[in-house]
Amino acid sequence: DQQVKQNSPSLSVQEGRISILNCDYTNSMFDYFLWYKKYPAEGPTFLISISSIKDKNEDGRFTVFLNKSAKHLSLHIVPSQPGDSAVYFCAASDAGGTSYGKLTFGQGTILTVHP
Amino acid sequence: DTGVSQNPRHKITKRGQNVTFRCDPISEHNRLYWYRQTLGQGPEFLTYFQNEAQLEKSRLLSDRFSAERPKGSFSTLEIQRTEQGDSAMYLCASSSKRRQETQYFGPGTRLLVL
Repeated sequence: DQQVKQNSPSLSVQEGRISILNCDYTNSMFDYFLWYKKYPAEGPTFLISISSIKDKNEDGRFTVFLNKSAKHLSLHIVPSQPGDSAVYFCAASDAGGTSYGKLTFGQGTILTVHP
Repeated sequence: DTGVSQNPRHKITKRGQNVTFRCDPISEHNRLYWYRQTLGQGPEFLTYFQNEAQLEKSRLLSDRFSAERPKGSFSTLEIQRTEQGDSAMYLCASSSKRRQETQYFGPGTRLLVL
């Protein structure tokens, strides 16, 4: 049972344009969501997060949107840069519950930004 | 803040051997997590420590796996009688009391079982 899904295995974008990465979840107990970026042979690097009490969080070029009714979140990167090329993982947790904050990850989306 | 460190970064072993990995979390982070990532998948939760107490273990953690965090600082993950299916990237993450929802990951240990 895949509780967090990233249905697009890959995304290709031109430098300077917007990158939109999507994520869907099924567990209504999830109340905290995070995006991580991963380069080959490295661990995931934290990018941005959002609590379920918000619908938007912005940090520089990165904005995360949360639609609780649709159980959907997205990460917008504007403008995209070649250095953003990596695998992006969406993760969710039941931070306020009894799961000790363990993260459930999606399968990842490979983002390629072309110069 | 030097980040989460993991050793070794790579390990090649023969089937049936035992292996041990070490994780040093960010200083003063009281929560420590182990995850496993296989090719084409996101990381999967294995186990969680709050200080020295192991509070949760995934069904993925068979009885060949054991984890410790003896003094509430570094942690070790041991796999006994390794199998080829254990080949994966083993990731460690930590989080602080003040910001416990956000986990910071180490570079991982890549295990290959021949």
